[in-house]
Amino acid sequence: AQTIHQWPVAEIKAVGSPLSLGCTIKGKSSPNLYWYWQATGGTLQQLFYSITVGQVESVVQLNLSASRPKDDQFILSTEKLLLSHSGFYLCAWSPPKGWDTEVFFGKGTRLTVV
Amino acid sequence: GDQVEQSPSALSLHEGTGSALRCNFTTTMRAVQWFQQNSRGSLINLFYLASGTKENGRLKSTFNSKESYSTLHIRDAQLEDSGTYFCAAHSGGSNYKLTFGKGTLLTVTP
Repeated sequence: AQTIHQWPVAEIKAVGSPLSLGCTIKGKSSPNLYWYWQATGGTLQQLFYSITVGQVESVVQLNLSASRPKDDQFILSTEKLLLSHSGFYLCAWSPPKGWDTEVFFGKGTRLTVV
Repeated sequence: GDQVEQSPSALSLHEGTGSALRCNFTTTMRAVQWFQQNSRGSLINLFYLASGTKENGRLKSTFNSKESYSTLHIRDAQLEDSGTYFCAAHSGGSNYKLTFGKGTLLTVTP
C-alpha cells in the first residue's frame, strides 16, 4: 500500500525566515507529485506539480519554490517567509498514468508565520 | 471566473436526514473527485469519477461531463459526517491540474 508522509506536522516561523517542508511517498514508483496550499477557511490551490525527478512545474507564483531531489521526495521551500504564507500545505500524489488519475493527499503541514 | 462552482457553501442536517451537494463546471472536465476534510485538516477521498454514478454506503455521487456538473448525495446523515466537503475537477491537458470548489461546510446535529 502507498503511504505519504509529510513533515513537519506544524511550524511557527518568523517573517523573513527560511522554510523547508517535505513529503515522502512510499510504495509507488515514479508518482506524479503535487503541492497544494489552503488558507484558513479557504479552498485548496495547486502550487506545483512534478512528473519526474528533477522536474517541477509552477502553477501559482507565491514566492515559493519546489524541488524533487528523489523519485519519492518532494520539497517546498522559500528563503524569506511572508505573513501571507501562513496556511495549510498539503502534498499529494497520483499514479504515473496521465494527468487525470485519482489524487491522494498527505495529512498536511500547518504553517503559522508571525 | 471560477471553473468549479460548489453549492451550498454551508448545510445543516439533522441526524437521519439527507441532502445533496452540487458542483457546476464552467469548462469541460475529464474527471471529478469528492473529498471530506475533517477537523484535523486531512482530506479523505470519497469518490473518483470519470463518468456515471458510484455509491458507497450512505454516499452516492454522479458526474455528468456533458452537462458539466457533479453531485454528492448524503443520506441518513450521522454526526461523524460533519466536516467540509470539496469537489475537485480534472481539466485534463498537460498541466496536471486539479481545481477545487470552495467547499461545503456540513454540520450534522442530533
